[in-house]
Amino acid sequence: GQNIDQPTEMTATEGAIVQINCTYQTSGFNGLFWYQQHAGEAPTFLSYNVLDGLEEKGRFSSFLSRSKGYSYLLLKELQMKDSASYLCAALDSNYQLIWGAGTKLIIKP
Amino acid sequence: NAGVTQTPKFRILKIGQSMTLQCTQDMNHNYMYWYRQDPGMGLKLIYYSVGAGITDKGEVPNGYNVSRSTTEDFPLRLELAAPSQTSVYFCASSYSTSGRPDTQYFGPGTRLTVL
Repeated sequence: GQNIDQPTEMTATEGAIVQINCTYQTSGFNGLFWYQQHAGEAPTFLSYNVLDGLEEKGRFSSFLSRSKGYSYLLLKELQMKDSASYLCAALDSNYQLIWGAGTKLIIKP
Repeated sequence: NAGVTQTPKFRILKIGQSMTLQCTQDMNHNYMYWYRQDPGMGLKLIYYSVGAGITDKGEVPNGYNVSRSTTEDFPLRLELAAPSQTSVYFCASSYSTSGRPDTQYFGPGTRLTVL
């Protein structure tokens, strides 16, 4: 079956760095997305990786290893507004997104 | 651009009632999707459409119907509402030129409770 695993919850301190991991098992693979979702709001796009390696976008970076079925989202210089859920989603062979349950990130002052 | 809009934002239904969740996008996207999100769970695809007149079932289509008569609109119909359909419903759209969908953009969601 198809499956996405990511931690349920993480806590970090304002100004610090946090890495949110995601492992995936899908029938075929056409890329991996990260979305941010604040409580009570819609998911918003953060990043897309289809090739191995690190993609950097400001304070956020995303890494992909296709051979390991693994990705992570790295958040630097954490701000209180980064408190949200982070959703990992893999695009399968039919170009359907398979979503993880999300990682709730709690930022403490 | 308003992006993806959904109505209503909140709704309470009684068991057995029916309703239509409206979704409209003004980005000229060809792909549109309906998801449901239960607490602590990932998004589950209900139905999707690759263009006007074409719809396909997703992972959890039972109890729902859709239509896509225009590029802009993709309504989701609930017939005979059941408590198991209590959830947050998100509509999304994306653009694709070669069968490979691009980034999905989400509407604000509809919070539905069935009592």
